[in-house]
Amino acid sequence: GAGVSQSPSNKVTEKGKDVELRCDPISGHTALYWYRQSLGQGLEFLIYFQGNSAPDKSGLPSDRFSAERTGGSVSTLTIQRTQQEDSAVYLCASSFSADGEAFFGQGTRLTVV
Amino acid sequence: SQQGEEDPQALSIQEGENATMNCSYKTSINNLQWYRQNSGRGLVHLILIRSNEREKHSGRLRVTLDTSKKSSSLLITASRAADTASYFCATFDMKTSYDKVIFGPGTSLSVIP
Repeated sequence: GAGVSQSPSNKVTEKGKDVELRCDPISGHTALYWYRQSLGQGLEFLIYFQGNSAPDKSGLPSDRFSAERTGGSVSTLTIQRTQQEDSAVYLCASSFSADGEAFFGQGTRLTVV
Repeated sequence: SQQGEEDPQALSIQEGENATMNCSYKTSINNLQWYRQNSGRGLVHLILIRSNEREKHSGRLRVTLDTSKKSSSLLITASRAADTASYFCATFDMKTSYDKVIFGPGTSLSVIP
């Protein structure tokens, strides 16, 4: 595709349910980032992939959060047993190199009720 | 800890005026990037300045970098209402080859017609 694609664009889920967020990066981009942004706040780093490996998982808020990337392409961010404080926009970005220009998807707005 | 910190947090100006936003960071960097975000969704890359550059221009944007002071500024000249957005600086930390791009909390710019 032409850009980074995230799905779903919006997700409303009940507290305690698991959710899976998907990111399709730009083809050929080896670096992939997940960020979380609460309303009116900056971007909170969650995890970074270089290829399929995640050298830095330090930003994941708790063990309820996990992410994987397969084939050096699609990534999924899974949140288990969602809590209301997980409500935020989850942004994915990819870049050709780790320090290059990052291209962002439009994000998934997660609402936990 | 936050790598990049923008200043001011919010800025309101009249159309036609210039807007200046500043970014400070803490460690050695490979490059510094500025992004814009409209409506709390995906970020758009504006400009990248490398650590060996002092100034860079792109249209109405001018970015400066002072590595001795660990700071950068973004100047938008002749602002327009369409420039209303949040602006973020992002740095790639050189501590390790696997370090990640860190975003500051952003400056919210309002351009009043």
